Amino acid sequence: AQSVSQHNHHVILSEAASLELGCNYSYGGTVNLFWYVQYPGQHLQLLLKYFSGDPLVKGIKGFEAEFIKSKFSFNLRKPSVQWSDTAEYFCAVWVRNQFYFGTGTSLTVIP
Amino acid sequence: DAGVIQSPRHEVTEMGQEVTLRCKPISGHNSLFWYRQTMMRGLELLIYFNNNVPIDDSGMPEDRFSAKMPNASFSTLKIQPSEPRDSAVYFCASTHSGETQYFGPGTRLLVL
Repeated sequence: AQSVSQHNHHVILSEAASLELGCNYSYGGTVNLFWYVQYPGQHLQLLLKYFSGDPLVKGIKGFEAEFIKSKFSFNLRKPSVQWSDTAEYFCAVWVRNQFYFGTGTSLTVIP
Repeated sequence: DAGVIQSPRHEVTEMGQEVTLRCKPISGHNSLFWYRQTMMRGLELLIYFNNNVPIDDSGMPEDRFSAKMPNASFSTLKIQPSEPRDSAVYFCASTHSGETQYFGPGTRLLVL
């Protein structure tokens, strides 16, 4: 079975700190990769996505992610977090007509 | 487009009652997903339709849960009878062939 692993379950950072959230998937073929964000009390919204091309993908709100095929990874990064980035972050993979979501990483940014 | 539409947005019911959640996917999308989210279990995929046909219902907790998609623009998730442990936020999402999955605002269900 396919799987998506997010190793960081809870992350606490101070404002202006840099962020990197890990995401690994288990499928070796062609995949579409996504990062979603869920702000408190809201639904999941797309942050960024990778289908093909430049493996460094830039999304909204200063987020970016890098697809490293050899490592089956799609880590999310932001150079300087803000209090408003406090949310839950989900990595997702589309493969063989199925979506697979990671368990999510809860990010708390302290002012 | 109005995005994925879910109704009701909030539902409070008593144990044993039937609950029906509704979803209208984005026009042109051919896949629809039902998820359940709780603090304890996180985001769980319940069932997934492709071209109105259920493809994977392995996440449906038990026979009390059923889902239908009679046409490309409407789906229901029914719980009968409901139990307190069904309390959760239920999300519907749609996509077109592996492109971005768009989520609805969710239905917050509380079963007393």
